[in-house]
Amino acid sequence: SQELEQSPQSLIVQEGKNLTINCTSSKTLYGLYWYKQKYGEGLIFLMMLQKGGEEKSHEKITAKLDEKKQQSSLHITASQPSHAGIYLCGADIRSQTDKLIFGTGTRLQVFP
Amino acid sequence: DAGVIQSPRHEVTEMGQEVTLRCKPISGHNSLFWYRQTMMRGLELLIYFNNNVPIDDSGMPEDRFSAKMPNASFSTLKIQPSEPRDSAVYFCASSSTQKPGRAFFGQGTRLTVV
Repeated sequence: SQELEQSPQSLIVQEGKNLTINCTSSKTLYGLYWYKQKYGEGLIFLMMLQKGGEEKSHEKITAKLDEKKQQSSLHITASQPSHAGIYLCGADIRSQTDKLIFGTGTRLQVFP
Repeated sequence: DAGVIQSPRHEVTEMGQEVTLRCKPISGHNSLFWYRQTMMRGLELLIYFNNNVPIDDSGMPEDRFSAKMPNASFSTLKIQPSEPRDSAVYFCASSSTQKPGRAFFGQGTRLTVV
């Protein structure tokens, strides 16, 4: 089973709309990371959250961490076609070793 | 810095052949990760090295897969013999111990086994 679950799996929104992507961990989080991937390319780091309640923003993208619920959400305000891609949450879960695992991914499409 | 460099970018091979994927991490990074990405299973961690030593290879699917890191600037992922179900995009990523989740990814190798 996946240790990091993302929802929704895919999202199609009209340009200008707001949207939220969620990431839930089945294990204790020691760090939560959001990445974006464009088709055919590697992952690009967006932001890192380490403390419960922490919230960070990058341009029109905001991410929050709820440590108690072991959840994080990524919110995009006034979406644009440039936001399209696959969003993945990553986590350092330190089950037996320090390792970076990723969620199932959310495929976002933004149409004009 | 040129970033994480992977080669080849694309590989098409016949079933049963040996395939070797290569990765050059960012200089100064001491953690290296190999991932496999497919539509069905998403991004899976195959193996993780720290200071050139394999720390966790629990994600390596079978004995057909092996990975080495002979020095801090080079790693290989080998599949022998390859099978059609190995077709996927393989990513290499590196990071420093101080920021383990802040990983830098290569552009990936798209492997097709026919």
